Amino acid sequence: DARVTQTPRDKVTEMGQEVTMRCQPILGHNTVFWYRQTMMQGLELLAYFRNRAPLDDSGMPKDRFSAEMPDATLATLKIQPSEPRDSAVYFCASGSAGGKTQYFGPGTRLLVL
Amino acid sequence: RKEVEQDPGPFNVPEGATVAFNCTYSNSASQSFFWYRQDCRKEPKLLMSVYSSGNEDGRFTAQLNRASQYISLLIRDSKLSDSATYLCVVNPSGNTPLVFGKGTRLSVIA
Repeated sequence: DARVTQTPRDKVTEMGQEVTMRCQPILGHNTVFWYRQTMMQGLELLAYFRNRAPLDDSGMPKDRFSAEMPDATLATLKIQPSEPRDSAVYFCASGSAGGKTQYFGPGTRLLVL
Repeated sequence: RKEVEQDPGPFNVPEGATVAFNCTYSNSASQSFFWYRQDCRKEPKLLMSVYSSGNEDGRFTAQLNRASQYISLLIRDSKLSDSATYLCVVNPSGNTPLVFGKGTRLSVIA
């Protein structure tokens, strides 16, 4: 049963620290998405990649957030420096070329104190 | 106007009840439509696609009205296990990311 995996599942850190979140998409999926979910805003798209190339990162605060895909099996989302307002659940999702649905990972629950 | 709008609820219904959720979308050129389900502290998962002719999956019926840009989900004979947040999702075009509504929370009460 293929799944998207994410690490860490939970992260508590102090303001100003760097946070790195990792995602392994489903093997064979060529599109990877990063979302942030909060009670107030719901699911917000931060960035997405197709065939490892970034297509859109307009949803991401550029001064502190960065997203990369070093290879087809790994996507990363970094926050440096982190701030309390970054506290949220960060989901990675993957999809296949021409596919209409997305498969979500379990999320990283981030708390910045 | 938000791209996808839903009533946040919560909808509190007794077991066995029928409940309906609605959703509107702003992009008239949107191509495909879905309902996702998200349990508390879990990730969203695809519940069902929504087709123009309407479609059914067991106790769940989804309908699409393109003229009114409106999507609905009907749940018959509600079970306790149906308690979750239901996300209305729109695909504006084949190559763009899905757009998610904020979700409607359902609590089915014994």
